[in-house]
Amino acid sequence: AQSVAQPEDQVNVAEGNPLTVKCTYSVSGNPYLFWYVQYPNRGLQFLLKYITGDNLVKGSYGFEAEFNKSQTSFHLKKPSALVSDSALYFCAVRDEIAGTALIFGKGTTLSVSS
Amino acid sequence: DAGVTQSPTHLIKTRGQQVTLRCSPKSGHDTVSWYQQALGQGPQFIFQYYEEEERQRGNFPDRFSGHQFPNYSSELNVNALLLGDSALYLCASSPTLAGGELFFGEGSRLTVL
Repeated sequence: AQSVAQPEDQVNVAEGNPLTVKCTYSVSGNPYLFWYVQYPNRGLQFLLKYITGDNLVKGSYGFEAEFNKSQTSFHLKKPSALVSDSALYFCAVRDEIAGTALIFGKGTTLSVSS
Repeated sequence: DAGVTQSPTHLIKTRGQQVTLRCSPKSGHDTVSWYQQALGQGPQFIFQYYEEEERQRGNFPDRFSGHQFPNYSSELNVNALLLGDSALYLCASSPTLAGGELFFGEGSRLTVL
């Protein structure tokens, strides 16, 4: 069965420092991987995706993620955090065999302090 | 270009009642998915509609049903509401059944008393 794990409930970083939000996954076939961000009382906004190709994916707002097949990970990164990046981040996976539904992790709250 | 729109934004129901939530997909999108997001949790897949048929379903009871109309809009119906159905219900659309990223609406916040 497909699954996504976000091992950290919360990540705290200082503004200007690099940030990493961790995600690992489990699928039967080739993974399609996604990151979404959610602000309070709002829907989810798409940040980036990995389908195939270059393992380093660049997305919106300066975020990037690195696909690592051997470690089944897809960590979200940003070189320099902003206070406005503070939000809830979700990793999601779709298995090309199991269907087109996205399976989400439980989310990681990112808090960037000034 | 309007994104995914959902209505109502908030509603309160009592146990045993029925609720209908509505969703209009992003222009050019023909596939609609529904997710339930309980407080403090990630979204859980309910079902997906394409060409007016339910194509895939998550682990939700039959009390949860849906419909897709010829204009691609969709409804989510929940019967015999339970306290545990209180959640943010998210509608997402995509341009094809094959997937890619989903575009989410702002959600409908359901409170069951």
